[in-house]
This record gives sequence, C-alpha cells and structure tokens, in this order.
Amino acid sequence: EADIYQTPRYLVIGTGKKITLECSQTMGHDKMYWYQQDPGMELHLIHYSYGVNSTEKGDLSSESTVSRIRTEHFPLTLESARPSHTSQYLCASSANRGPKSSYNSPLHFGNGTRLTVT
Amino acid sequence: EDQVTQSPEALRLQEGESSSLNCSYTVSGLRGLFWYRQDPGKGPEFLFTLYSAGEEKEKERLKATLTKKESFLHITAPKPEDSATYLCAVQQGSSNTGKLIFGQGTTLQVKP
Repeated sequence: EADIYQTPRYLVIGTGKKITLECSQTMGHDKMYWYQQDPGMELHLIHYSYGVNSTEKGDLSSESTVSRIRTEHFPLTLESARPSHTSQYLCASSANRGPKSSYNSPLHFGNGTRLTVT
Repeated sequence: EDQVTQSPEALRLQEGESSSLNCSYTVSGLRGLFWYRQDPGKGPEFLFTLYSAGEEKEKERLKATLTKKESFLHITAPKPEDSATYLCAVQQGSSNTGKLIFGQGTTLQVKP
C-alpha cells in the first residue's frame, strides 16, 4: 500500500536525452531521498531534501539534479542521459520528528524507476 | 569509515528450516539500525528499527536482535512467501538527516 509513487516504472531512452523521474508522496513527510541501486549492490544515496527549497547531494556522486518546490513532490532530472546512468532509482520519504530529535522515522520507499540508456 | 556488511549473500532454506541472517556494522555513534525486505521489482519495505544493544523486535516469523557490532534477523519456520532480499541499514551518527548506509543484502529463497 504505497503512499509514495514513482513514475515511470520502466524507461528506455537514447543517449543524450533529457529525462525527469517523478516522485510524489501523500504522507506529508518533510524528508525525501533518492537512492540508486544496481543489481546485487547496495543502495547509494544520491540526493536528499529536508523540506521545501532544501536539497543536498548524497554520498554517491551523481550527474542528476533534484528540486523540491512542493512538500509532496521530489523529481530527479538528468540533462543528458548516458549508458552509465542505467540503474534503478528509488525514491523514499520519512517523517520529521523535529529538530531536536536524535532519531528518525524509517524510510518509506517507492517501487522505483528502472532506467536503461542505450 | 561507516560500513555495513551482510552475510551470507544468498541463503536457500527448506520450508520450516529456521536460520539467521547477519548484519555487521561499523559506525560512529549508532542512531538506529533498520531491516528492510525487498521483493523483485519493488522498493524496500520497512520491517524493524533497533536503537540499542540488547534490543529485540518481532514480527510474525521474524525476530531482529542487536549487539554493539552486529544485528541478526532470525527466521523461524520460514514459508515460501518469506523469499525476498533482506536489507540492513544503519543511520549515520553524525547527523540527523535520516541518511542510511545499506548493506548489499541477503537473498533468501525458501523452497516448499
């Protein structure tokens, strides 16, 4: 019962094209994340956001960019897709327990977008 | 460097054959250890959060435990529907961003 939605589920696109992966959540979560996952490998954080107009790069370098204009929406854009961008992209969100909280709510993930760049 | 290592990479069990999955971690100040289940073609689904050594959580046939260096996910009398990849992740202790470091996962197959 996903409350976080990613579109498209699958995308095959040619080199050099601009693409935007959509992610929306209906839970009112302040924090949102983009992870990249290759088969059999760990999830790696590529972008995150604390709230509207807040975006930060993650631990894994990525040529993608993100924006957070509305709480519920966190799209990821690749200006010029390359075969090295072929991967699964997972969006997630978590509730904000407040600035003084030392702990965080668990991440809720979407079902991902599997991107293939030919 | 913060790191999470899961073992084994793959595990095949007969239905009803109990076993455990291991998650070893090194992190500066553990804020939380998370277990997720991931089915093929889907995003990870949250199972448990553990915060301190000695803590245990249970859900149906699954039980998660935590020590200062590792966590175990015990599966009692598994069923074929328990087949999935189980992911372990730790929250970095230096910030309150909610960022997680994931292990590579253990793929469990339970045969009827």
